Amino acid sequence: SAVISQKPSRDICQRGTSLTIQCQVDSQVTMMFWYRQQPGQSLTLIATANQGSEATYESGFVIDKFPISRPNLTFSTLTVSNMSPEDSSIYLCSVEGYGELFFGEGSRLTVL
Amino acid sequence: AQKVTQAQTEISVVEKEDVTLDCVYETRDTTYYLFWYKQPPSGELVFLIRRNSFDEQNEISGRYSWNFQKSTSSFNFTITASQVVDSAVYFCALSPYSGGGADGLTFGKGTHLIIQP
Repeated sequence: SAVISQKPSRDICQRGTSLTIQCQVDSQVTMMFWYRQQPGQSLTLIATANQGSEATYESGFVIDKFPISRPNLTFSTLTVSNMSPEDSSIYLCSVEGYGELFFGEGSRLTVL
Repeated sequence: AQKVTQAQTEISVVEKEDVTLDCVYETRDTTYYLFWYKQPPSGELVFLIRRNSFDEQNEISGRYSWNFQKSTSSFNFTITASQVVDSAVYFCALSPYSGGGADGLTFGKGTHLIIQP
């Protein structure tokens, strides 16, 4: 199975600041996915990140707010920019491998 | 557009009862994947099953079983002889087949399953 490490696991941030979340996978993967889970809600796909190309964003998510980097086949970052309390969520990284879709343990952001 | 509906927001049963979690999906894709995930109170997402749209065989894994019916666009999940440790939020999800495998998932809103001792 793929092992996914996310950093930070949790953080408390001030309104108007930005935070970058890192996702490291223990094997090379073509596609990495970023999801958001707002408190008590389901998961929503933010974007798909392929190595060597621009990330593809889902409806309602834009690059200026959620810039993504994918410098190699094992690593990606998601930045949450100009945060507001509405951005308080768990952000999860996901990869496909061995017939499964694996998820990291998530990064829990609280914006004050 | 894809959509996954889990009409049961919360289910509460007594331990050892059987329980079925419903999942209905909508997609225009002819080939797709269906998934079930478990999210216990600790928060991590635990993969339970992935099913290809062209494989309608039902599957059983221990106390878990899945009933895939393409004709009714349903992929229901049954837990037999439920246990307290089964208490969690269960998500059904759908993904198009992108050629290289599954693509990003569309999740249902989840069913909160409570197993009372």
